[in-house]
Amino acid sequence: GAGVSQSPSNKVTEKGKDVELRCDPISGHTALYWYRQSLGQGLEFLIYFQGNSAPDKSGLPSDRFSAERTGGSVSTLTIQRTQQEDSAVYLCASSLETPYEQYFGPGTRLTVT
Amino acid sequence: AQSVTQPDIHITVSEGASLELRCNYSYGATPYLFWYVQSPGQGLQLLLKYFSGDTLVQGIKGFEAEFKRSQSSFNLRKPSVHWSDAAEYFCAVGARTGGFKTIFGAGTRLFVKA
Repeated sequence: GAGVSQSPSNKVTEKGKDVELRCDPISGHTALYWYRQSLGQGLEFLIYFQGNSAPDKSGLPSDRFSAERTGGSVSTLTIQRTQQEDSAVYLCASSLETPYEQYFGPGTRLTVT
Repeated sequence: AQSVTQPDIHITVSEGASLELRCNYSYGATPYLFWYVQSPGQGLQLLLKYFSGDTLVQGIKGFEAEFKRSQSSFNLRKPSVHWSDAAEYFCAVGARTGGFKTIFGAGTRLFVKA
């Protein structure tokens, strides 16, 4: 079956612009996670959804970051007024439920110039 | 707060040699523990997980890991490394904190020499 997909695969944006990153989880997976991976770094937890609600938003780095999930499926991570330090690979993962195995998407590489 | 430490940033082993990657975690209750692998140009893939029960768990690709509560460790092992095992390995701990959060270690990059 289809895995987790993310779009776009690459995004180059100018500092100060807003960006939207999309994640399509595996059908039927109730849990969805967003992570950020900076060059040479591990994965930084951003936010987790159970259904459409986000019980834990503690990982969002600033109020410029927001995320939503609709219909228990697609999720969008929005970064407003992008800064150069936002440049990273943003990874999305989904799982059937917590705490089961997470299936990762290929990521969106964001470059802020 | 939960944390995961992978003390080795990178490790080099010869093909055919044994491998052990270290992972220490900090969490107040029984954790959910995972090892993931990220191969060049590939996404992250689960190698194995520990939730409860037998403390020695088997995973894919011939990997195993042992949960040692007294040492707060979950080290990954493989008896004989193949060149295709060269990748980045991440240890992770899952914790229920209102919701469910997974904390990843910084990763260990494995190099395999012929």
